[in-house]
Amino acid sequence: RKEVEQDPGPFNVPEGATVAFNCTYSNSASQSFFWYRQDCRKEPKLLMSVYSSGNEDGRFTAQLNRASQYISLLIRDSKLSDSATYLCVVNPGAGGGNKLTFGTGTQLKVEL
Amino acid sequence: GAVVSQHPSWVICKSGTSVKIECRSLDFQATTMFWYRQFPKQSLMLMATSNEGSKATYEQGVEKDKFLINHASLTLSTLTVTSAHPEDSSFYICSASGPGYTEAFFGQGTRLTVV
Repeated sequence: RKEVEQDPGPFNVPEGATVAFNCTYSNSASQSFFWYRQDCRKEPKLLMSVYSSGNEDGRFTAQLNRASQYISLLIRDSKLSDSATYLCVVNPGAGGGNKLTFGTGTQLKVEL
Repeated sequence: GAVVSQHPSWVICKSGTSVKIECRSLDFQATTMFWYRQFPKQSLMLMATSNEGSKATYEQGVEKDKFLINHASLTLSTLTVTSAHPEDSSFYICSASGPGYTEAFFGQGTRLTVV
């Protein structure tokens, strides 16, 4: 089993749609969780951290379920500029020394 | 967030030559730096972890004699791809972390093409 698994994608959605991505992780002791966004041929950029209580940043909502080892990202009212690959990222914590583990990414294409 | 600068952005080199990539943390002390490689349509794969002043720890399957990592200061780490071959062509990205940070900050990446 991969350490971080994501929906395979790609997701092609019309502008204005709501889309959700899922991710599961295998290390139950993992400490920190993130969603990164990567545009084609660019470095990943932090989109948002993920907390058990859930967190929202504008049109983006992230949720963590530690019991199920499951992370989600919801994008509302999607824009053309949201087209990118979304990476689920897990940090095992102090013992792992901030060694981030990346999922394979889910590609989102927002169309007119 | 903190700033990490990576150079060069892209490089084309001949097979058999060596290429050095630099990764600098501009506004924080990077006690740990990570080097990743990403092939087309694949995710980032960790190559090695380096802590300032000590030898890098390489992931399984990564040749330490081919990918030389130096992390001699709290603001600079370098990756040298020695005797590069076409199969080493890839997108190399560094990230850095330091005290007080739970996430890592990425450099802009270096696209290496070996011809």
